[in-house]
Amino acid sequence: QKEVEQNSGPLSVPEGAIASLNCTYSDRGSQSFFWYRQYSGKSPELIMSIYSNGDKEDGRFTAQLNKASQYVSLLIRDSQPSDSATYLCAVNLRGSARQLTFGSGTQLTVLP
Amino acid sequence: GAVVSQHPSWVICKSGTSVKIECRSLDFQATTMFWYRQFPKQSLMLMATSNEGSKATYEQGVEKDKFLINHASLTLSTLTVTSAHPEDSSFYICSALQGTNYGYTFGSGTRLTVV
Repeated sequence: QKEVEQNSGPLSVPEGAIASLNCTYSDRGSQSFFWYRQYSGKSPELIMSIYSNGDKEDGRFTAQLNKASQYVSLLIRDSQPSDSATYLCAVNLRGSARQLTFGSGTQLTVLP
Repeated sequence: GAVVSQHPSWVICKSGTSVKIECRSLDFQATTMFWYRQFPKQSLMLMATSNEGSKATYEQGVEKDKFLINHASLTLSTLTVTSAHPEDSSFYICSALQGTNYGYTFGSGTRLTVV
């Protein structure tokens, strides 16, 4: 079992729709969770960080964390073509000395 | 916001030569630097973790004598790929951790092509 798992996609949604990206992690003791967006050939850029159970909203983005289910998700409302990218889930696993472990990424395409 | 300057952004080198990649934190002190490698259509794989003034800790399977990491100051960390081979061609990315704050700042990445 991979430590951080994501559906690789590709995921396609029409412009204006809600895109839902999911991530599960293996270590129940993990405390910190991050969503990054990566455009082709570029470095990842942070979208959201979340540390507590529940929802965290920032503009069109909402991160949801459920530690009991070891599940973190990212919702993108009113999706735009510019949101087309690979979305990486990253977790600071317990005992990992603050290293981030990345999922394999989900490729999202927003169709105009 | 915090910025990590990574250079070069791309480099082409001949097989057998060495390449140095630099990451500088411009407006904060990076107590810890992480070095990642990313092959096409794959995720970031951690290569090593370095703390200022200490030897780097390498992940399993990463050759420490091939990938030399120096973190001599709180604002500069370097990765040197020694005796590069075509299989070392990849996208290398650094990420700095800002002290006790839980913020990771990524460099812009270096595309290495070994011919």
